[in-house]
Amino acid sequence: DSGVTQTPKHLITATGQRVTLRCSPRSGDLSVYWYQQSLDQGLQFLIQYYNGEERAKGNILERFSAQQFPDLHSELNLSSLELGDSALYFCASSERGQGGSYGYTFGSGTRLTVV
Amino acid sequence: QQPVQSPQAVILREGEDAVINCSSSKALYSVHWYRQKHGEAPVFLMILLKGGEQKGHEKISASFNEKKQQSSLYLTASQLSYSGTYFCGTETNSGYALNFGKGTSLLVTP
Repeated sequence: DSGVTQTPKHLITATGQRVTLRCSPRSGDLSVYWYQQSLDQGLQFLIQYYNGEERAKGNILERFSAQQFPDLHSELNLSSLELGDSALYFCASSERGQGGSYGYTFGSGTRLTVV
Repeated sequence: QQPVQSPQAVILREGEDAVINCSSSKALYSVHWYRQKHGEAPVFLMILLKGGEQKGHEKISASFNEKKQQSSLYLTASQLSYSGTYFCGTETNSGYALNFGKGTSLLVTP
């Protein structure tokens, strides 16, 4: 157990639907990151939160949104799903804040299959 | 912004050495290295901050040439457990998210 908890582990849904992925960071970590992993693109950065505030956005589609709650858990919402959204979605956390650089701890991921 | 990794894939026999390279077109604050085994999450290996410091533990080490914006991961006397996909992640500003390369697949055979 890495300390980062992601639920659910697997999700199968139809095109056009909406799903929510959940992430609880490692205890004490204030930063949460979401990444999408597909076979041909590697790990694509989606969005970063630090202590409840959005810090940076990557290649996140307008159909996707996220938030970090006061207890620091985060949710990634994916709507109007398309076949191409099928991928492994990872959440990671770190101590990273205003300065310094720390390694990420990844959750076990949510495998999303859109049919 | 995605760093470029080379080679894409490596096959080694146990005990052989390998080098994986990572280069960026942007000035970097730090470089991270991660290993991902099939069906698992990436696991943090090490971090290198600008200053060219070489870090590592046991038989895995890395270097960072900040003038060239390049980092290399060195795996010496490889073991079967080293098999997996290695990713470098680059940070252009302190406190911001990593951009990962597409990965280098490493297979160590008996």
